[in-house]
Amino acid sequence: GNSVTQMEGPVTLSEEAFLTINCTYTATGYPSLFWYVQYPGEGLQLLLKATKADDKGSNKGFEATYRKETTSFHLEKGSVQVSDSAVYFCALRSGGSNYKLTFGKGTLLTVNP
Amino acid sequence: EAGVAQSPRYKIIEKRQSVAFWCNPISGHATLYWYQQILGQGPKLLIQFQNNGVVDDSQLPKDRFSAERLKGVDSTLKIQPAKLEDSAVYLCASSLEVTEAFFGQGTRLTVV
Repeated sequence: GNSVTQMEGPVTLSEEAFLTINCTYTATGYPSLFWYVQYPGEGLQLLLKATKADDKGSNKGFEATYRKETTSFHLEKGSVQVSDSAVYFCALRSGGSNYKLTFGKGTLLTVNP
Repeated sequence: EAGVAQSPRYKIIEKRQSVAFWCNPISGHATLYWYQQILGQGPKLLIQFQNNGVVDDSQLPKDRFSAERLKGVDSTLKIQPAKLEDSAVYLCASSLEVTEAFFGQGTRLTVV
């Protein structure tokens, strides 16, 4: 079946540091890949997505590239801010019309001033 | 555009009691999902509706959980009787057929 593996948290960084959160997946076919973010006390929000191999999703300074050869979708940001503190979830959607999202366990990011 | 609405935001019940959650999806979204998010874990799909029909309920504990989506709009998720391990955040999401899912703020359930 489908599965998503994220790097274990928590991750603590200083403001303006470089961020990488690793994500690898197992899926049949050609899944779409997503990063969702959950700020304290809020629901999940889509951060970025990529629907085919070599696509790069980007939003709010965050980027992730769909790497089929390594089955990875690592999240990066060049300079994090305190406001980026949240839980980040990598997810995949299997191919077909059934829009079922499979999530990783999430990575808690804390950015200190 | 209004987002996915869920209520209540918080609920505390004793084990063996029953509880119900309500979800109002984004207008026009045919697909509605209920996810369970246990502390420290990623969300797990409980049930997926397409209009008012069930597409996937393979991970719904049917001996105690039930869900319905009358008229293809609002949905309710019920737990009866609740167990301690049901303590979690219950997330509702909706989508158009081929777009990303939009999530509500969730209902945090504590079973004591």
